[in-house]
Amino acid sequence: GESVGLHLPTLSVQEGDNSIINCAYSNSASDYFIWYKQESGKGPQFIIDIRSNMDKRQGQRVTVLLNKTVKHLSLQIAATQPGDSAVYFCASNTGGYNKLIFGAGTRLAVHP
Amino acid sequence: NAGVTQTPKFQVLKTGQSMTLQCAQDMNHNSMYWYRQDPGMGLRLIYYSASEGTTDKGEVPNGYNVSRLNKREFSLRLESAAPSQTSVYFCATQGQGSSYGYTFGSGTRLTVV
Repeated sequence: GESVGLHLPTLSVQEGDNSIINCAYSNSASDYFIWYKQESGKGPQFIIDIRSNMDKRQGQRVTVLLNKTVKHLSLQIAATQPGDSAVYFCASNTGGYNKLIFGAGTRLAVHP
Repeated sequence: NAGVTQTPKFQVLKTGQSMTLQCAQDMNHNSMYWYRQDPGMGLRLIYYSASEGTTDKGEVPNGYNVSRLNKREFSLRLESAAPSQTSVYFCATQGQGSSYGYTFGSGTRLTVV
């Protein structure tokens, strides 16, 4: 079946370092991808999205890279801060109605 | 502008009891979704509604019913709660046009004992 998965369940980084969170997807028909951030006790929040006609998109301190050849996307966070500590989910659309499929999440822990 | 509002935030039920989780949005979005989130399982789709008057099953619909009362409101009902339904429930809406991103509510933490 379809899946959107993450390579590492937990990522620990030092404050100020860059973070890279990876995600693989399985549906070749997916053409829209999103990263969400979920802080403890809160709902997921939209970070950045990318369409399949792009391979890179930048936001404020975040960059998403998409490699359609190997069905892989990554989220890069520059100069990671304690406030970046959260669980990060990737999601992709499916064929048809554009419902999203979510990965299990990667916990990012930022240490001072 | 509240976005997506879920009530209640917390609930404890006894096995066999029923309850309705409420979700309301002020974003004028057509599509609304109910997900459950369990540790290590990510977000799993229970039911969704593409527009007012329509609902469809998602990945894990058993034990749940939904009502799309109007464009703003999408409720999730547990007719006879079971311990396996202990979870955090999120409602989400989906924008139209070029962005399909969801906006999530803050969640309802449900415990069934």
